[in-house]
Amino acid sequence: NAGVMQNPRHLVRRRGQEARLRCSPMKGHSHVYWYRQLPEEGLKFMVYLQKENIIDESGMPKERFSAEFPKEGPSILRIQQVVRGDSAAYFCASSPATGRSETQYFGPGTRLLVL
Amino acid sequence: QKEVEQDPGPLSVPEGAIVSLNCTYSNSAFQYFMWYRQYSRKGPELLMYTYSSGNKEDGRFTAQVDKSSKYISLFIRDSQPSDSATYLCAMSGGGSYIPTFGRGTSLIVHP
Repeated sequence: NAGVMQNPRHLVRRRGQEARLRCSPMKGHSHVYWYRQLPEEGLKFMVYLQKENIIDESGMPKERFSAEFPKEGPSILRIQQVVRGDSAAYFCASSPATGRSETQYFGPGTRLLVL
Repeated sequence: QKEVEQDPGPLSVPEGAIVSLNCTYSNSAFQYFMWYRQYSRKGPELLMYTYSSGNKEDGRFTAQVDKSSKYISLFIRDSQPSDSATYLCAMSGGGSYIPTFGRGTSLIVHP
């Protein structure tokens, strides 16, 4: 039973480029959450999605960041015109149809480095 | 004041010791309390979750919630070097599915 999958595991971008991070939830899970983790900081919530719906994006920066979870395929977190401050580990988590936070399972993360 | 406070450590203990990890919180609406373990360069792994107050035991791990004091604990008995990791507390409630995380406590168990 495959867990949450994220790719790429490591991503290097130059300032101004775009970063696309992908997340495939666990089988049977239809809720996806994206988090950002900076060194010495805890996980910070960014966005919560269900298939074809953004449920809560209160943690998402207003500019340059967007997320989607299409009917088919993985969830994608997109960062346009990256800046050095975007360098962080980005984790996605999935939960079953009930969407309960106490049953979130995390992927291995994508480590983004902006040069 | 942060919504969830957690001492970052590091906490260093000898193998076999009983470890106590703690978090305090300020939001009385929190009802679900989770503990995650995160190894270096890996994603967080859900260890345990409890609802409301009380204790929950799973093998060497015991989670304890004291809602009156807004204080939660994770106890690890007979700690092993393989327990060395960062432990994150998280909590949610009040109609929100979004958990709020502590910054994590780094635990080192030395042989």
